[in-house]
Amino acid sequence: DAGVIQSPRHEVTEMGQEVTLRCKPISGHDYLFWYRQTMMRGLELLIYFNNNVPIDDSGMPEDRFSAKMPNASFSTLKIQPSEPRDSAVYFCASSFDRGWGNTIYFGEGSWLTVV
Amino acid sequence: KNEVEQSPQNLTAQEGEFITINCSYSVGISALHWLQQHPGGGIVSLFMLSSGKKKHGRLIATINIQEKHSSLHITASHPRDSAVYICAPYFGNEKLTFGTGTRLTIIP
Repeated sequence: DAGVIQSPRHEVTEMGQEVTLRCKPISGHDYLFWYRQTMMRGLELLIYFNNNVPIDDSGMPEDRFSAKMPNASFSTLKIQPSEPRDSAVYFCASSFDRGWGNTIYFGEGSWLTVV
Repeated sequence: KNEVEQSPQNLTAQEGEFITINCSYSVGISALHWLQQHPGGGIVSLFMLSSGKKKHGRLIATINIQEKHSSLHITASHPRDSAVYICAPYFGNEKLTFGTGTRLTIIP
């Protein structure tokens, strides 16, 4: 399996623009997580899905952030409008059976810079 | 509050040295991941453990549930082990809570 695939790897955008980050989880995994990593706050969970259904979005910073998982093989994280403070690395991860008894797999990350 | 503390924050060692990174957490957990992140790179889960000890190559992870403590050991350290190591426990739900990480640098 190719692992968790994220795109784009790098994006630079201007403040106010819409940003869409994409993730393809590992086939057969039933959990998908979106994380954000910054120097100041480290790794933070934004939202996670189980069987394509959002379970907990309490980590989503504000209404400018939204995430969808239309099917088992695809998820998006959208920021509209983007702001400089959204600059961070966004990681997607997937796991089978909650990750308690199985390893969680991370994508390579999407490096976002908002100028 | 679910808190995770790692020590040391930074560690520099000579190639070949035995490395220990520690993780303490405030309340009971169901399981814990040790994650590795190379500079500019992705994150890899090295271990997921809920009790006892696991070994993979030169890496060993231990956990003591009663003492709320886990350690990651690296034997015969190598410059390619240079990375940030992150302790990430599950506090009874699906969410991982992340430690602040230990930046390890191995000098040839």
